[in-house]
Amino acid sequence: KNEVEQSPQNLTAQEGEFITINCSYSVGISALHWLQQHPGGGIVSLFMLSSGKKKHGRLIATINIQEKHSSLHITASHPRDSAVYTCAALGGSNYKLTFGKGTLLTVNP
Amino acid sequence: DVKVTQSSRYLVKRTGEKVFLECVQDMDHENMFWYRQDPGLGLRLIYFSYDVKMKEKGDIPEGYSVSREKKERFSLILESASTNQTSMYLCASSLGYKAGELFFGEGSRLTVL
Repeated sequence: KNEVEQSPQNLTAQEGEFITINCSYSVGISALHWLQQHPGGGIVSLFMLSSGKKKHGRLIATINIQEKHSSLHITASHPRDSAVYTCAALGGSNYKLTFGKGTLLTVNP
Repeated sequence: DVKVTQSSRYLVKRTGEKVFLECVQDMDHENMFWYRQDPGLGLRLIYFSYDVKMKEKGDIPEGYSVSREKKERFSLILESASTNQTSMYLCASSLGYKAGELFFGEGSRLTVL
């Protein structure tokens, strides 16, 4: 069983919809990353957070350390948001990231 | 802007060949990582390095070795390539005592025939 679980695996939305991708982890962590990869493209780090909430444009990431849960929200989604979104948890005592399996988001015009 | 550069975007090698994948970062990052990315399996850590000449095994180190002789360069070596090593290989770097914000290279797609 993966220590980092993402849901949903696949998500299709209409342009303009509010998107939520969830990430749960079973071990103590010091930080959590959200990554984005467009089809055929490289991986880009969206957020690294250890508490609370971060916002960048239409993207918002939240984390609840006690509940071992993080969410990535996209407001007013656009077809260019179509990508794979992956969360990755950094263990409390080492450098190793544990990755979720990713969420494939498709936003239709 | 931080730049992580991988030497080859596409490689085709034969079974048994020795393969070198090079990664260079230009922001003086301490931490460097090699991952492979396979459909349905996501990213898996092969090796990482938190300092020059320091390396640690990740989740799937078998069949691979690494070299970090200089801070900016982290090399992944396949001593004897096999077909099950056909994959996308991604290098990443980050600053700080623990893995901070990650910066990824564009990836190297290796095909072993």
